[in-house]
Amino acid sequence: KQEVTQIPAALSVPEGENLVLNCSFTDSAIYNLQWFRQDPGKGLTSLLLIQSSQREQTSGRLNASLDKSSGRSTLYIAASQPGDSATYLCAVIMIYNQGGKLIFGQGTELSVKP
Amino acid sequence: SQTIHQWPATLVQPVGSPLSLECTVEGTSNPNLYWYRQAAGRGLQLLFYSVGIGQISSEVPQNLSASRPQDRQFILSSKKLLLSDSGFYLCAWSPSTEAFFGQGTRLTVV
Repeated sequence: KQEVTQIPAALSVPEGENLVLNCSFTDSAIYNLQWFRQDPGKGLTSLLLIQSSQREQTSGRLNASLDKSSGRSTLYIAASQPGDSATYLCAVIMIYNQGGKLIFGQGTELSVKP
Repeated sequence: SQTIHQWPATLVQPVGSPLSLECTVEGTSNPNLYWYRQAAGRGLQLLFYSVGIGQISSEVPQNLSASRPQDRQFILSSKKLLLSDSGFYLCAWSPSTEAFFGQGTRLTVV
């Protein structure tokens, strides 16, 4: 059974810092891995998708890496801003019965202080 | 472009009442559709997923059921709500390899 773990559960940093969020998974037979952002009381916004054949993806100040063999992914946020404050969720995409489903970690709640 | 609609945004229901949450997707055909629940302070739990009309897979035994009467419509239902059904419900769709989410329904059972 696939299990996804995110560390830390919560993180508070001053504005301008670079930071790393961690995600680990127990079954390396994933199809893809996706990072999401969730603002309080809102739905999920997709940030980055890393296909299983890729090692990393970048979008603006965000960089996500994937190491399938070790079951790890990291989300790097450069020059953090107060607007980055949110919960960040990683999800692995598994293929079952000709369909894909996402299995989520518990999330990292990030607070960036001005 | 593809969009996903989920309603209502907020719902307060008494224990024992029925439930119907609806999710529709526009701009695509034959998507994989999902219902997730997020309890307060916890991660997302997959409840149901569907790869086609009338095809529903349940992930956890519970008080809820799902149906897919049309290709781009996914409905989450309950005949009698329990207090433990309170939470944030999210519908998602996937073309194949990544997922996109609706804005969610905050359900409070009182």
